[in-house]
Amino acid sequence: QVQLQESGPGLVKPSETLSLTCTVSGDSITNYFWNWLRQPPGKALEWIGYIYHSGTTNYNPSLKNRVTISVDTSKNQFSLKMTSATAADTAVYYCARDGTGGYHAWDYWGQGALVTVSS
Amino acid sequence: DIQMTQSPSSVSASVGDRVTITCRASQSINSWLAWYQQKPGKAPKLLIFAASRLQSGVPLRFSGTRSGTEFTLTISSLQPEDFATYYCQQANNFPLTFGGGTTVEIK
Repeated sequence: QVQLQESGPGLVKPSETLSLTCTVSGDSITNYFWNWLRQPPGKALEWIGYIYHSGTTNYNPSLKNRVTISVDTSKNQFSLKMTSATAADTAVYYCARDGTGGYHAWDYWGQGALVTVSS
Repeated sequence: DIQMTQSPSSVSASVGDRVTITCRASQSINSWLAWYQQKPGKAPKLLIFAASRLQSGVPLRFSGTRSGTEFTLTISSLQPEDFATYYCQQANNFPLTFGGGTTVEIK
């Protein structure tokens, strides 16, 4: 059974860096593409970016080069760093697997981690 | 970016009703469209990808179709567990983008 679990601080101060880690169990991170998405309270979903185990990444340009996604194959984890956080980054952050064979859809998701940006 | 416009934003329906949700893309996305179901406080669940391919384990009452840049999700006979918010997502161009969501409420 594939499971994903987000972890990281739930409160980040404005201008600081938001950091989250996704731990994958039941599957090897060397398979598939691994993604981060977010959902501000009461709003629609937003795709942040993905990483492949080789280190290949693809990011949403709207995040203006503030985002870095990295992978640690030895720990079966991948991580998100978002610099210069503002209140607009307050959201539930999800990690998800693209297991649809290249159709860029997400078949397994973490439960989500609420991150609040506030002083 | 490709804009995805969902309609209606909400629909009230009864158990057993046929429900149709529409998603229109701002440009051609071929059949690169997925549908998700999300319940309050939960992660989205993949229902359909490639416009009409049912994800494993999803009930057959869910179906998806495409006509040009217009996509439809149909629930043939609404069940109590289907009351939720539904999102479409285009997968043809980066950045990947979502519609604004359609909430299916109990009538």
